Parts: sequence; C-alpha cells; structure tokens
Amino acid sequence: GQNIDQPTEMTATEGAIVQINCTYQTSGFNGLFWYQQHAGEAPTFLSYNVLDGLEEKGRFSSFLSRSKGYSYLLLKELQMKDSASYLCAVRYSLGGFKTIFGAGTRLFVKA
Amino acid sequence: GAGVSQSPRYKVAKRGQDVALRCDPISGHVSLFWYQQALGQGPEFLTYFQNEAQLDKSGLPSDRFFAERPEGSVSTLKIQRTQQEDSAVYLCASSLANSGLGFTDTQYFGPGTRLTVL
Repeated sequence: GQNIDQPTEMTATEGAIVQINCTYQTSGFNGLFWYQQHAGEAPTFLSYNVLDGLEEKGRFSSFLSRSKGYSYLLLKELQMKDSASYLCAVRYSLGGFKTIFGAGTRLFVKA
Repeated sequence: GAGVSQSPRYKVAKRGQDVALRCDPISGHVSLFWYQQALGQGPEFLTYFQNEAQLDKSGLPSDRFFAERPEGSVSTLKIQRTQQEDSAVYLCASSLANSGLGFTDTQYFGPGTRLTVL
C-alpha cells in the first residue's frame, strides 16, 4: 500500500532553521510535493521534487532521496507567519496518477 | 478567476439533508480533484476528473456521494442524506494535467467548503 509519515508537531524559534521530515512507502513513485496550509485555509504549493537532491526556493528548500523514501522541507530565517501545517504529498502511478497526502506537520514558531 | 474558487464556504445541514458543493477550477485546467479533509488530517482523495470524464471515483466513501463535471469546467460534489460523519472540509483542486510529467501536475487548491452536519 501507499503510506506517508511525518511528525505531528514541531516548535521552533523565530529566525531559526527547521527541518520537517517525511518518509514514504509507495509503488510507482512519480514525484513529491510540499504544501503549506494555514488554519482554515487552502493548501498552497511550496515545492516539487522528482529527482534526488535539493531544490532551493528562497527561504524554503526541499530534499529528496528516492532510494530511502525520504524527503525533508527546510525553512530558514523563520518568521511568525510560517506557523502553519506542512503537508508532504506523493504522486504515484497505479493505473493512472494519484496523489496521497500525509497528515501534515503543525509548525509553531515562537518569538 | 485567478485561482480555484468554491462555494459555499460554509454549509450547515441537518442529518438527512442533501447538499451540493460547487468548484470553479482555474481556467484551462484539465484535471479536477475532490478531497475530504478531517480536522488535523491531510486531504483524502475522493474523485478525479479529466475534462468531463470522471476517471477515478475510488475514494468516494459511499453511494451517497456523487460528483459531476458536465462541461469539463465547473464541478459539483453532491452528498445525499448527509450523516454526521460527513462533517469535514471538502477541498477542490485543479491542475493543468495529470500525466506524470512534472510541474504540469501540480495541484492548486480552492479554499474549501466546511460542511457541518447536525
């Protein structure tokens, strides 16, 4: 079956760096996405990885290791507005392409 | 519009009532997805359209749930005889494609409809 694991909650300090991990087990892996979701709002797209390595986009970076079924989202220079849930999502091929989402990691940024 | 829109944003229904939730995808997006999100959980797949064709409805929890996209644009998710366990946020997402070819498959979400069944 398909499965995604990520920590339930994390707390970090404003200005610091935080790494949110995601591990997955899927057949037919076809890409990994990270989304940010503020409470009561829609998930918004942050990053996409399909090849191994690091993708950097401003304060946010995402890493993928397909052989280990592992990804992380790195947030630098944390700001209070970064307090949100971060969803790891994996696209896979199984008679068509489907995307499954992890339960999300709630990040609390404190002053 | 610039993004995915959904209406209503909030819906309160009495148990047994039928509800209809609307989704307007981003113009030109071929693929449309419906998800159900319970509090503190990630979105759970319900169904998927490519243009007007419903290619996957494996996530619909029961035959009380029905979705359509008759002209390949706006979609409606209908829930008949609502039950308390149907209370959740229903998210709609659209993408340019769903072909496994990279960024074109990125899904963009609407704000969701929060359904409360009393």
